Amino acid sequence: GAGVSQSPRYKVAKRGQDVALRCDPISGHVSLFWYQQALGQGPEFLTYFQNEAQLDKSGLPSDRFFAERPEGSVSTLKIQRTQQEDSAVYLCASSLALGGETQYFGPGTRLLVL
Amino acid sequence: AQKITQTQPGMFVQEKEAVTLDCTYDTSDPSYGLFWYKQPSSGEMIFLIYQGSYDQQNATEGRYSLNFQKARKSANLVISASQLGDSAMYFCAMRVLSDRGSTLGRLYFGRGTQLTVWP
Repeated sequence: GAGVSQSPRYKVAKRGQDVALRCDPISGHVSLFWYQQALGQGPEFLTYFQNEAQLDKSGLPSDRFFAERPEGSVSTLKIQRTQQEDSAVYLCASSLALGGETQYFGPGTRLLVL
Repeated sequence: AQKITQTQPGMFVQEKEAVTLDCTYDTSDPSYGLFWYKQPSSGEMIFLIYQGSYDQQNATEGRYSLNFQKARKSANLVISASQLGDSAMYFCAMRVLSDRGSTLGRLYFGRGTQLTVWP
């Protein structure tokens, strides 16, 4: 079966530009997570959805970051007025439900802000 | 607060040998899960193995086993019979499982260990 997919795989943005990153979770997975991975670091939690409800957004670094999952499937992470420090790999993960289940990750979107 | 520590930035092992990647964790939560993921240069995080805090036996998945020592708060990954394709970054991660509201679900990652397998 299809795994988690993300698009685009690579994105180069000029500072100040808005970007939108897409995540298609595994079909039927209720939970969806976004993580940010800076170069040489482990992933850091950004936000979490259960179906269409955003239950935790405590990891979003600023109000320039916004995530949505309007129909409980595809999710979009939007970054407004990008800054150089936003350069990172953005990973999306999904799990069947909440409660200890394994999270399965997509290939990530590599964002470079110039 | 939850914390994962991986003290080995890089490890080298010869093909067909076994290697242990270290992971220690810190949490005050009594119920938690520990994960190991592999991240090749392509970037995708690949799930390897899971250990629950109340599991009595150490987890095993093929060539991967998790050496879980609860009192020492360590969860080391053992890879037996290393293969060239095992060369990658390896991350240890934890999530709390008790009902603490919105903290439930998120994974806390270490900084990773870069494993290089040489022929």
